[in-house]
Amino acid sequence: GAVVSQHPSWVICKSGTSVKIECRSLDFQATTMFWYRQFPKQSLMLMATSNEGSKATYEQGVEKDKFLINHASLTLSTLTVTSAHPEDSSFYICSAKKTGSWETQYFGPGTRLLVL
Amino acid sequence: AQKVTQAQTEISVVEKEDVTLDCVYETRDTTYYLFWYKQPPSGELVFLIRRNSFDEQNEISGRYSWNFQKSTSSFNFTITASQVVDSAVYFCALSGQIKAAGNKLTFGGGTRVLVKP
Repeated sequence: GAVVSQHPSWVICKSGTSVKIECRSLDFQATTMFWYRQFPKQSLMLMATSNEGSKATYEQGVEKDKFLINHASLTLSTLTVTSAHPEDSSFYICSAKKTGSWETQYFGPGTRLLVL
Repeated sequence: AQKVTQAQTEISVVEKEDVTLDCVYETRDTTYYLFWYKQPPSGELVFLIRRNSFDEQNEISGRYSWNFQKSTSSFNFTITASQVVDSAVYFCALSGQIKAAGNKLTFGGGTRVLVKP
């Protein structure tokens, strides 16, 4: 199988606080993980590529200091939204590729973030 | 630059009807992969199929079938005898062979399918 989990599934926080979202590959190792953002009724927008043991690669327009990514192990990547504001409210989805395979991305169930 | 276009934003059908979702792509890569994902209301993206650019054989999996036409850069998806559980947003996606880029996926805008009982 290729199961990816995310935690939490949804979170409500106050403006100015930081929120950490975890993405785990449960039954495979993932050297590379991806973080996406999806607004209602829109497609997925890639935010960054997370590589185990190295710095993440951010897409143009994505603030590195705002969205901190850490990929400390082959099964875990974290996305921290720092000093969250209402405009950061969105659906965040991660995906993972099996180490040694670069074709298919397997997606987590997503995390809904609401910043008040 | 890569681009995926799903011209149909929403399709509504009655149960048991067939529905075809269009996907047209643009890429300069000679080797690439095409994907279809399903996103039900719960939000999780479910992998449906991956197709290598060198393999133009059509594929059938149960009620799902895919038609890959390299000549027209299309990778269409048909659901036969649709069911209410097929109601979801379907995304077509493209990945090139540039390993340095991490094989990023380029998604189409998605097609929302509503199957009415």
